[in-house]
Amino acid sequence: SQQGEEDPQALSIQEGENATMNCSYKTSINNLQWYRQNSGRGLVHLILIRSNEREKHSGRLRVTLDTSKKSSSLLITASRAADTASYFCATVSNSGYALNFGKGTSLLVTP
Amino acid sequence: DAGVIQSPRHEVTEMGQEVTLRCKPISGHDYLFWYRQTMMRGLELLIYFNNNVPIDDSGMPEDRFSAKMPNASFSTLKIQPSEPRDSAVYFCASTTGGGETQYFGPGTRLLVL
Repeated sequence: SQQGEEDPQALSIQEGENATMNCSYKTSINNLQWYRQNSGRGLVHLILIRSNEREKHSGRLRVTLDTSKKSSSLLITASRAADTASYFCATVSNSGYALNFGKGTSLLVTP
Repeated sequence: DAGVIQSPRHEVTEMGQEVTLRCKPISGHDYLFWYRQTMMRGLELLIYFNNNVPIDDSGMPEDRFSAKMPNASFSTLKIQPSEPRDSAVYFCASTTGGGETQYFGPGTRLLVL
């Protein structure tokens, strides 16, 4: 079953703008991960944030986690056309190791 | 490292035929996962292994699906008999330590006619 739910489902911005995607989940987690999927390709890991962390940065990516609200956000700053992809949040529970994926946010960055 | 390797990349078959998907995880990884992606259901876990032993197969849709991991460097997902509703992209992923970053293969795009 789907654990994470991303919002919005689709996002269209211009190069240079920031893109923010949100993820909500239902149960307690061990960590939350964000993945990117280019059209027709596999998933690529972007960042992992643990349940005891509130914010994490990696290059142009910033992830926040609010366990009290069971939500996370992914911010991509200064977006590029190459950032066009689907972005998925995935949670790992305290009782298992599998990823529980949301349905993803489709990001389109136009030049 | 070559990453997770899956074969075939594309498979077209007719309903009722047996389909075998293959996966080679990253060397040294002790967890292997099979996921399925469809437009309707998104990404779903089918089964995962730890040290070649199936740990959670609750996502396997029905008895037509079976998965094996005979050794640390090879796993198969078999569908027999296949049905049109099995059409999806099947991903294999591996990791070490469980619960950490997973490394995905390119997927097998299956079409059952």
